Amino acid sequence: AQSVTQLGSHVSVSEGALVLLRCNYSSSVPPYLFWYVQYPNQGLQLLLKYTSAATLVKGINGFEAEFKKSETSFHLTKPSAHMSDAAEYFCAVRRGGTSYGKLTFGQGTILTVHP
Amino acid sequence: EPEVTQTPSHQVTQMGQEVILRCVPISNHLYFYWYRQILGQKVEFLVSFYNNEISEKSEIFDDQFSVERPDGSNFTLKIRSTKLEDSAMYFCASREDRGDEQYFGPGTRLTVT
Repeated sequence: AQSVTQLGSHVSVSEGALVLLRCNYSSSVPPYLFWYVQYPNQGLQLLLKYTSAATLVKGINGFEAEFKKSETSFHLTKPSAHMSDAAEYFCAVRRGGTSYGKLTFGQGTILTVHP
Repeated sequence: EPEVTQTPSHQVTQMGQEVILRCVPISNHLYFYWYRQILGQKVEFLVSFYNNEISEKSEIFDDQFSVERPDGSNFTLKIRSTKLEDSAMYFCASREDRGDEQYFGPGTRLTVT
């Protein structure tokens, strides 16, 4: 079984500051990992994904995440926050190598960016 | 850019009534999913659907739930007799054959009174 824990339900940063959203996973098999973002009244949009290739993955809007097997982590970072980054972020895990591939989500982290 | 659409955006129903939530997945996608998010809780997997049959379902997806792909474009979730605890945001998602990414719709907010 897979599970995801996101540390911190709310994160607040200043515009221009580093964004760090934490995600730890549990999986009995090599996982595929994803970060999704949800803006108000919109669906979930994929930011980036790890599917067993490079451990440092880059996504849209300047975000990146590093897969660390030894720490079972997949933290999301962005060097400089922008006001438009304010949204809810979800980390998700999927069993690697399966066809059907349900996603198991963390509880989400609301990112607030203040001027 | 192709996108997943869902209708209605908000559905209010009385306890015990049947509801059908509709989704139009991206046209060349072959895997379809329903998830739900109860207010303040995690997004939870309900069911996946491939080749006109359920491929996996969660323990939430009991006999009150059913899915159907009635034609070549729609994918529906039916709740036969709604309960108060079915109130949630329901998300549809689809995935192409060899892809890893699930594309999500904007969701339908179901309110059961």
